Amino acid sequence: GNSVTQMEGPVTLSEEAFLTINCTYTATGYPSLFWYVQYPGEGLQLLLKATKADDKGSNKGFEATYRKETTSFHLEKGSVQVSDSAVYFCALSVRTGANNLFFGTGTRLTVIP
Amino acid sequence: DGGITQSPKYLFRKEGQNVTLSCEQNLNHDAMYWYRQDPGQGLRLIYYSQIVNDFQKGDIAEGYSVSREKKESFPLTVTSAQKNPTAFYLCAVRGGAHTEAFFGQGTRLTVV
Repeated sequence: GNSVTQMEGPVTLSEEAFLTINCTYTATGYPSLFWYVQYPGEGLQLLLKATKADDKGSNKGFEATYRKETTSFHLEKGSVQVSDSAVYFCALSVRTGANNLFFGTGTRLTVIP
Repeated sequence: DGGITQSPKYLFRKEGQNVTLSCEQNLNHDAMYWYRQDPGQGLRLIYYSQIVNDFQKGDIAEGYSVSREKKESFPLTVTSAQKNPTAFYLCAVRGGAHTEAFFGQGTRLTVV
């Protein structure tokens, strides 16, 4: 089947610390992979994506590399800011099936000054 | 302005009432989704529609109903059969397989 497993939170970091949020997946076929961010009281926004193996998605200092051999798509940022405090969702989509979009459970990040 | 519009932003429901949440899009995308999010929780799929006049139940469809009469619109009705409707409801739109989903700003429904 298709599923996404995310690192459980919450994660609390000091400003300028290094961030890693782990995401692994199982999928039928070759999925596209996404990271979304949700700020309090808002909908989800696409943060970055990768559509094939070894692709690196990047945006706003965040990066994630599509690793087919380890079925992973870990989110990283070298130096977090207070404004990065949010909930982060890993997701995948596959070509087949009526419902082909799957989300992880989300990881809450809090960055303290 | 392109995008997805959910309304209202806040909604209050009395016990035994049906309420309808609106989701409108002008992205010309075929697939539309409704998710429920409880405090501190992830997304749970209620209903989705891949094309006009067709929709499928998601993981938690009981107590909810939808329609898809137009490509632009996918309203969600929370019926009185839904015993615990207080939650944050998110509508999403997607162009096709391997493409990202775009989300509305959400509707927060509270039972009073």
